[in-house]
Amino acid sequence: EVQLVESGGGLVQPGGSLRLSCAASGFTFSSYWMYWVRQAPGKGLVWVSRINTDGTSTTYADSVKGRFTISRDNAKNTLYLQMNSLTAEDTALYYCARDFRYSAYHWGQGTLVTVSS
Amino acid sequence: QSALTQPPSASGSPGQSVTISCTGTSSDVGGYNYVSWYQQHPGKAPKLMIYDVSKRPSGVPDRFSGSKSGNTASLTVSGLQAEDEADYYCSSYAGSNKFVFGSGTKVTVL
Repeated sequence: EVQLVESGGGLVQPGGSLRLSCAASGFTFSSYWMYWVRQAPGKGLVWVSRINTDGTSTTYADSVKGRFTISRDNAKNTLYLQMNSLTAEDTALYYCARDFRYSAYHWGQGTLVTVSS
Repeated sequence: QSALTQPPSASGSPGQSVTISCTGTSSDVGGYNYVSWYQQHPGKAPKLMIYDVSKRPSGVPDRFSGSKSGNTASLTVSGLQAEDEADYYCSSYAGSNKFVFGSGTKVTVL
């Protein structure tokens, strides 16, 4: 059974940093692109970032480019999202998801990031 | 990367059909056959319902169908059931390994 478990969320002050993790199991992690998607409270889904299978290619939404960094450790079956220079607009539930033909087939349950002083 | 446009709400009685539109541009919906649809119940993670415009993942009822014409994709839910009441989001590949979601549609079963 495919499982994606996010962790690392919490309360952080504006301008601060946080690193999210997503532990994957039940599939060959190194064979799939992975995504981060976020959802602000009461709002819609927003694509944040994508990484290819070996981590050599990454893309970002304009709203996070230059502040967020996606990475992966295939030996540990773990996806990461390093988030710097956080603002209140980054407050959201962050989901990791596994790719299937340019769609997000499997999703984790999300980890909540709250940016507030 | 503007969000794809969806109607905020849609509704239908049990057994009826409801269709949700998802309008983008020639740079996303109109340019690729990589439109997907997600169902999200309150407090739950999204679930993939349609990929590649019209294909259903294993386990998704055939009451759910997708299509596309030009820059607009559509999701139709036939034979509405109470459990279909949820938020629905479209998504499209937008080139250069980027993606965009729709604004979301709340489906109510009357």
